[in-house]
Amino acid sequence: EADIYQTPRYLVIGTGKKITLECSQTMGHDKMYWYQQDPGMELHLIHYSYGVNSTEKGDLSSESTVSRIRTEHFPLTLESARPSHTSQYLCASKSDRNSYTGELFFGEGSRLTVL
Amino acid sequence: QKEVEQNSGPLSVPEGAIASLNCTYSDRGSQSFFWYRQYSGKSPELIMFIYSNGDKEDGRFTAQLNKASQYVSLLIRDSQPSDSATYLCAVLSGGGAGGGNKLTFGTGTQLKVEL
Repeated sequence: EADIYQTPRYLVIGTGKKITLECSQTMGHDKMYWYQQDPGMELHLIHYSYGVNSTEKGDLSSESTVSRIRTEHFPLTLESARPSHTSQYLCASKSDRNSYTGELFFGEGSRLTVL
Repeated sequence: QKEVEQNSGPLSVPEGAIASLNCTYSDRGSQSFFWYRQYSGKSPELIMFIYSNGDKEDGRFTAQLNKASQYVSLLIRDSQPSDSATYLCAVLSGGGAGGGNKLTFGTGTQLKVEL
C-alpha cells in the first residue's frame, strides 16, 4: 500500500480565496508530481520536483505554485482561486532506484470546487 | 499526433471474455511502458509494466510490447465486472527537464464488463 497522503480530500471555496493542497509521502521518494484531472478526462502534469528545492512546471500551464522544502512534502498553492480551477488534483511520487520500473504512487486526490 | 494514443471506448465485453486494450506511442526512444487502472472517482494504480519486446504475464493480465510497431497492449482474461474501470497507458521516455525521464499518460480506455 502506498504511503502518500493528500489533504483535504474535498474542498469547496469561494472565488478569490487562497488555498493550499497538501501532499506528503513517507517512502523517501525524490520525485514528486502534481496532476490535474477533470472527470472522465486525461491526467495532465502541472508540476514536478526531482528533489528538495527543485520544482518545474509540467506540460499543462497552471496558475498554481509548488514548493519542495522537505523531501516528504510537496504542497500546491493557488493564491486566488477561480471557478476554472475546479478539478481533481492528484499528487504522486516515485523512486528511481530502478529506472525501468519507476512506479508512480498516487495519493487519493483532492477534489476542489470553486464557486 | 498525441505522444500516447488510446481508444477512449467504452469497450464492452461479456463476463468471462478476453478484453484487449491497445496503446500506441510516438517516441521510438521510449524505455518502459505501464498500464494503470483507475476506478471512477479513484486514483490510478499500477497493474503492469513492461520494457522488453514480447509478452509479460501476471495472473489474468498479459502485457504485450512491440517496439518496432510502437504499440503496447493489455489483455485481461476471464474478465470480471470488477475489472470495469478506465485503463491508462503510460510511456516512460527521456526528454524530461534536466535530463530526467518523462512519463506520459494516454487518455485512457474505459472498459465495461457486462454480466
